[in-house]
Amino acid sequence: AQSVAQPEDQVNVAEGNPLTVKCTYSVSGNPYLFWYVQYPNRGLQFLLKYITGDNLVKGSYGFEAEFNKSQTSFHLKKPSALVSDSALYFCAVRDLANNAGNMLTFGGGTRLMVKP
Amino acid sequence: DGGITQSPKYLFRKEGQNVTLSCEQNLNHDAMYWYRQDPGQGLRLIYYSQIVNDFQKGDIAEGYSVSREKKESFPLTVTSAQKNPTAFYLCASSTWDRGNGYTFGSGTRLTVV
Repeated sequence: AQSVAQPEDQVNVAEGNPLTVKCTYSVSGNPYLFWYVQYPNRGLQFLLKYITGDNLVKGSYGFEAEFNKSQTSFHLKKPSALVSDSALYFCAVRDLANNAGNMLTFGGGTRLMVKP
Repeated sequence: DGGITQSPKYLFRKEGQNVTLSCEQNLNHDAMYWYRQDPGQGLRLIYYSQIVNDFQKGDIAEGYSVSREKKESFPLTVTSAQKNPTAFYLCASSTWDRGNGYTFGSGTRLTVV
């Protein structure tokens, strides 16, 4: 079975500092990994994904994520946080060894608070 | 532009009423999904449909029903059997390309009055 964990309910960072939102996963085969962001009262918006290739993936709004197979992690990063980055972030995984359809499994979400 | 539309944005339900939330997509996606989100919480899967005229229960299907008569539409009915329906409901869709993620609607906030 595929699963994903976001160990921090909330991450606090000062504006201008680097930020990291953690994600670890568990799959039987190879993973496809995704990050989404949700602003209040809105749907989830796609940020970036890892499919194959370079372990460092760049996405929207200056975010990037690093795929680490040995640590089964896909942490979201940004070199310099903005107050407008404050939102709820979700990591998701799809197990390529899973033949039961095309389902994504989502983590529980991490609230990012960027303070001026 | 292609997208996924949820309506209404806000919905109020009286005790004992059934209400239906609309989800329409013009992305030509095969699969559609309904999630429930409680304040500050993650997503819980209610129902999903991978092809027309077929759907499967998710983790919290009790008190909900769906239909998938058209590829573009996947309405969710919140029945009176759902004892605590106040929540934010999200609809999503996807293709069969496993390299693609989900596209989400903007959500419907349901409140029991």
